[in-house]
Amino acid sequence: DIQLTQSPSTLSASVGDRVTITCRASQDINMWLSWYQQKPGKAPKLLIYQASFLESGVPSTFSGSGFGTEFTLTISSLQPDDFASYYCQQYIGYSRTFGQGTKLEIK
Amino acid sequence: QVQLVQSGAEVRQPGASVKISCKASGYTFTTHSIHWIRQAPGQRLEWIGWINTGSGETKYSQKFQGRVIITRDTSANTAYMDLRGLTSEDTTLYYCARDRVGNDFWGQGTLVTVSA
Repeated sequence: DIQLTQSPSTLSASVGDRVTITCRASQDINMWLSWYQQKPGKAPKLLIYQASFLESGVPSTFSGSGFGTEFTLTISSLQPDDFASYYCQQYIGYSRTFGQGTKLEIK
Repeated sequence: QVQLVQSGAEVRQPGASVKISCKASGYTFTTHSIHWIRQAPGQRLEWIGWINTGSGETKYSQKFQGRVIITRDTSANTAYMDLRGLTSEDTTLYYCARDRVGNDFWGQGTLVTVSA
């Protein structure tokens, strides 16, 4: 199975900050990676697909990059609504695996 | 608008089975596969399996192989997940999610509690 490792596990930041979360895959997954935002008690929300494509309706402050085994999610200017947990997901083939998550906290 | 609505919370005894439904609306059901994913509190999301809603083909995580069956009823636009041999480790929130370059729409989640 393909393993995904996110870093950091927890990130403390302030409104207006630029933050980056990294996701590393245990093997080459080409560009087949998505990023999700999850708030307590809610289902995950798709932010980025195919490593760098912004899902419809998602603010342009979110961006994704990467290819192969290393990927990043960047939030260019944190807004109060952005404090949540973030997960990466690989979808090469029919199976799916997720990273362990990054909790973005207010500093 | 696209919606996935799951059945309500369930309580089962150890060793029992549970069947959860996921009713889709707002799109053509057979054009997107449905995945089942679960999440324990504070834990990462865990993929269970997938059904091609058009053909009925299924694929399961090795962890759940032999213990889970995913089906669909195209006349009812509904997918189902049947999990057997429940243990306390299966006490968690279960989601269905539509497949599209990842999972673009999710159900609201169904809490399954396994307790004697």
